[in-house]
Amino acid sequence: DAMVIQNPRYQVTQFGKPVTLSCSQTLNHNVMYWYQQKSSQAPKLLFHYYDKDFNNEADTPDNFQSRRPNTSFCFLDIRSPGLGDAAMYLCATSNGPRDRSYEQYFGPGTRLTVT
Amino acid sequence: GQNIDQPTEMTATEGAIVQINCTYQTSGFNGLFWYQQHAGEAPTFLSYNVLDGLEEKGRFSSFLSRSKGYSYLLLKELQMKDSASYLCACMDSNYQLIWGAGTKLIIKP
Repeated sequence: DAMVIQNPRYQVTQFGKPVTLSCSQTLNHNVMYWYQQKSSQAPKLLFHYYDKDFNNEADTPDNFQSRRPNTSFCFLDIRSPGLGDAAMYLCATSNGPRDRSYEQYFGPGTRLTVT
Repeated sequence: GQNIDQPTEMTATEGAIVQINCTYQTSGFNGLFWYQQHAGEAPTFLSYNVLDGLEEKGRFSSFLSRSKGYSYLLLKELQMKDSASYLCACMDSNYQLIWGAGTKLIIKP
């Protein structure tokens, strides 16, 4: 089945220790998104890629970086995690306006704990 | 500014009908989505409305009024598995989703 996969599902890291979260998709979608979601809050868009074109939200901290080496994979790097970065990180894909399909397909998420 | 408003929490009885409202103000409008999110899981797509009116899909229906900046999600014949958060999200002029904080729906037997 075509899908969005995130690894790991649960990640524990220490305060200040860099961590990388990964996302892969078999949908061949051109747009990939990274969201941060804290409990009982709306998902907050961190970045998105339209093909190789990187788009950073204005309020995304510099501590967060992203890479998209190819269509299928996207990574979220947190350079120096703080306690406030503990959250669920959601990866999503869409075909964007290319075929007027705007639905975003989400991976299962990675729950990050910072100790 | 851009804003999505929906109730924080609602309670309903198994077998009943519930309507979850959403009002929005966005810069440009390219449609409105409803997503379901169970605790600790990712959101899953329920519906997309870009034209005024009611879209029915099984037990779930979604309504949009663009002139009023208003939408609702209607859930019929409620089942215990419908206990979840329901997220309203609008697509703005840049085709980005502006998300509401979600409505937590509690179903009681």
